[in-house]
Amino acid sequence: EIVLTQSPGTLSLSPGERATLSCRASQSVSSSYLAWYQQKPGQAPRLLIYGASGRATGIPDRFSGSGSGTDFTLTISRLEPEDLAVYYCQQYGTSPLTFGPGTKVDIK
Amino acid sequence: EVQVVESGGGVVRPGGSLRLSCAASGFTFDDYGMSWVRQVPGKGLEWVSGINWNGGSTGYADSVKGRFTISRDNAKNSLYLQMNSLRAEDTALYYCARGGRGTSFDYWGQGTLVTVSS
Repeated sequence: EIVLTQSPGTLSLSPGERATLSCRASQSVSSSYLAWYQQKPGQAPRLLIYGASGRATGIPDRFSGSGSGTDFTLTISRLEPEDLAVYYCQQYGTSPLTFGPGTKVDIK
Repeated sequence: EVQVVESGGGVVRPGGSLRLSCAASGFTFDDYGMSWVRQVPGKGLEWVSGINWNGGSTGYADSVKGRFTISRDNAKNSLYLQMNSLRAEDTALYYCARGGRGTSFDYWGQGTLVTVSS
């Protein structure tokens, strides 16, 4: 099983600041089958990034993904108050599919 | 508009069974793999099971293998999860999602709550 580790656990930043979220895999993620999801309080998860760097439909361009192999990053270039959420990475290339434990983004 | 809507959750005693359903609309159902993902309230996401477009390939988390069975009926645009030998640790909100191995999960339902308690 591919174990995903996310850091930091919590990120507290002000609006307009840049957020950098890390996702590290215990083994290489095949074909960059790495996704990022945003989950706001009381809501279902929403796909932000697929294939490590592809932005999903309707996602603002302040969200970007990068990385390959075992190290991946989600960057929010300029935080907005509505970005308050938990962000999960997921590998969907190898069964069992796995999620990271999440990074909570707090807005100061 | 793409929609997936879960149903079938409820309260069940340990050792009991429950069948979850997911009704899909707004897309060609048999073009896509589908999955179930669960979340204990306040905790993280756990992939439970997935199935490919025609039901010929399935996968399960170790935590549910041998107890849960995923299936689909493409004629009814529906996905199912048969859950047997339920345990307290299966208590969670269960989401249906479009996607599976090789495909990210681009649409999610709002979830159906399963509570296993005596």
